[in-house]
Parts: sequence; C-alpha cells; structure tokens
Amino acid sequence: AQKVTQAQTEISVVEKEDVTLDCVYETRDTTYYLFWYKQPPSGELVFLIRRNSFDEQNEISGRYSWNFQKSTSSFNFTITASQVVDSAVYFCALSEAGSNSGYALNFGKGTSLLVTP
Amino acid sequence: EAGVTQFPSHSVIEKGQTVTLRCDPISGHDNLYWYRRVMGKEIKFLLHFVKESKQDESGMPNNRFLAERTGGTYSTLKVQPAELEDSGVYFCASSPRQRRTSDTQYFGPGTRLTVL
Repeated sequence: AQKVTQAQTEISVVEKEDVTLDCVYETRDTTYYLFWYKQPPSGELVFLIRRNSFDEQNEISGRYSWNFQKSTSSFNFTITASQVVDSAVYFCALSEAGSNSGYALNFGKGTSLLVTP
Repeated sequence: EAGVTQFPSHSVIEKGQTVTLRCDPISGHDNLYWYRRVMGKEIKFLLHFVKESKQDESGMPNNRFLAERTGGTYSTLKVQPAELEDSGVYFCASSPRQRRTSDTQYFGPGTRLTVL
C-alpha cells in the first residue's frame, strides 16, 4: 500500500505566485518522521525539512513553509513568491520508527514544479 | 564538508553484463543506504548498512544484486547479470548515528543506469 501520496504529478506556475505541494501519508505508528526533499535538474536529492510526529508546529524558512496536520495525515509544503530556481521535483517521505525497515524512507512519487518567468 | 558522492554518474550496459556502482558517504557517517527509482515509480529502499554490517536488506529485488561496505567506509552495489528492468537511478544516502530513525539521510546525486 502506498504510504506517501503526492497527488499532484506536475504543477506549473508563473514566477511570484504562491504554490502548495500536497503530501498525504499513511502509518499505524505513533512515532514517525516526515521529510521533504528537492531534486533540482542536477539530480541530487536535497534535504529541506524533517518533522517528527510529536511536533505539529508549523515551520517557516524564508519563502518555504510547511503545514503538518495529524488530523488529516498531511504534510503540505508551500513556496511563497515562487522563483524560477524553485523549479525541481519535490519528494515527500515518511520514516516509521516501528517499521521492519526501521530506517528506510518511504517516498511519494514526487511533484514536478515548473516556475516560468 | 564533502557530501555523498557516487560513481559513475551514468552507466550504459547491455543485458547480461555486470555493473558496479560506488558510493562514498559523508565522512564519519555510520549509516549508509541504497535506494533506486525506476522510470515513473517511487524511490524505493534497497538496503541499509550500519558501518560494515547489513542492517536491513529487505528491499533488494533479487540475488542478482550484491552490496558490500568494506571497512565501514565506501559501499559498492553490483548487479550481475543486469536485466532490462534494472534500469533506473540508484541513489545512495548516509546519516550519522546508529539506531536513530530521526536522523536525516543525506543523498548523493545518483547513478543513472541504462540496460540495453
């Protein structure tokens, strides 16, 4: 079963628009961790944020913000005033403390974001 | 501090040949992971080393794949013999401490493998 769902396959926005990337996860563990990674055209996965299940406080880092809602099992990512350099594939991932694959990240399929001038 | 490096960046081989991928983790990181993404699919976990020991290899697809981590430093992933369905991008990641699921995994740029 899919543990992390990123329903948006591709999103295209014009520069300076705000954009939200959705992530819905599924787990039976009470302790788990959620991540967002960015994959620019160069190919490497760049870590953006880690959140544990006990901390529902939203986080803001510059133009990036994350909204963690346990009630809806969502961990959405918003880019404010998008820029062309934000164009990349963004992956949401889940790590479950009680999993047999205890340290493995379960990834969503990714959302390809294109920001045009 | 150098990040995770992988070699080669691209590899094109014919079905039945052997390919060896290499990963150098961030210095001092005990944990090393291999993942792969085949076309159009999610990035999938392959296996996890803690130092030189295989902690979890539940994601390895079959016995054509062999991973080693000599001396707890770099790791190699050998595919022998390669099949068409092995084509994809192979990622390596590392994280610092043992037995900490919360530790962030830092990824390398990946090796794109094409099997013809």
